[in-house]
Amino acid sequence: EPEVTQTPSHQVTQMGQEVILRCVPISNHLYFYWYRQILGQKVEFLVSFYNNEISEKSEIFDDQFSVERPDGSNFTLKIRSTKLEDSAMYFCASSQGQGSGTEAFFGQGTRLTVV
Amino acid sequence: AQSVAQPEDQVNVAEGNPLTVKCTYSVSGNPYLFWYVQYPNRGLQFLLKYITGDNLVKGSYGFEAEFNKSQTSFHLKKPSALVSDSALYFCALDFTGNQFYFGTGTSLTVIP
Repeated sequence: EPEVTQTPSHQVTQMGQEVILRCVPISNHLYFYWYRQILGQKVEFLVSFYNNEISEKSEIFDDQFSVERPDGSNFTLKIRSTKLEDSAMYFCASSQGQGSGTEAFFGQGTRLTVV
Repeated sequence: AQSVAQPEDQVNVAEGNPLTVKCTYSVSGNPYLFWYVQYPNRGLQFLLKYITGDNLVKGSYGFEAEFNKSQTSFHLKKPSALVSDSALYFCALDFTGNQFYFGTGTSLTVIP
């Protein structure tokens, strides 16, 4: 069964450093997403991406965040200058279509720890 | 504002017994509701969804969920729990077509 894969599974970084989280969505999917879950809190939407541009983003997704699809298979989330409060589990997701009721498929997550 | 609540952080059930994981929602329009499951070191796996129609929705691994509009609930159920069902379960709401609103998750433990 095809699945979304994320690398690395765990990343530790120093405050102020840049990190790039990587995702390989399911190959025939067109819509891509990043979510995050701070420990003990809800899974929160960060951004959605379609046709090489951001289609929607949340208030969390400020100027320190960016997303990119650098080639035909990868989808990345860059955090420019990490803060302690960026420590969370980051989930990538993809879906074939868009529209209410379309399920998304999620990766196993990258646990980011900012020290 | 739209939101999803999972009132129980932890649910324990004996193997072979029926299980219920609760979810309630709040949304101004029509809700599209989902259940996802997360096993250790795995991604969120889609279990089932409610879009419209029959209030009882059947999904993967023998799970089903009942949509109740008057109680604004979408509880996940299974008639007979297996030890392998032990995992973290998330209820999610989609009404924009572009993002999910998740509950905080419920950890299910099935006791042999």
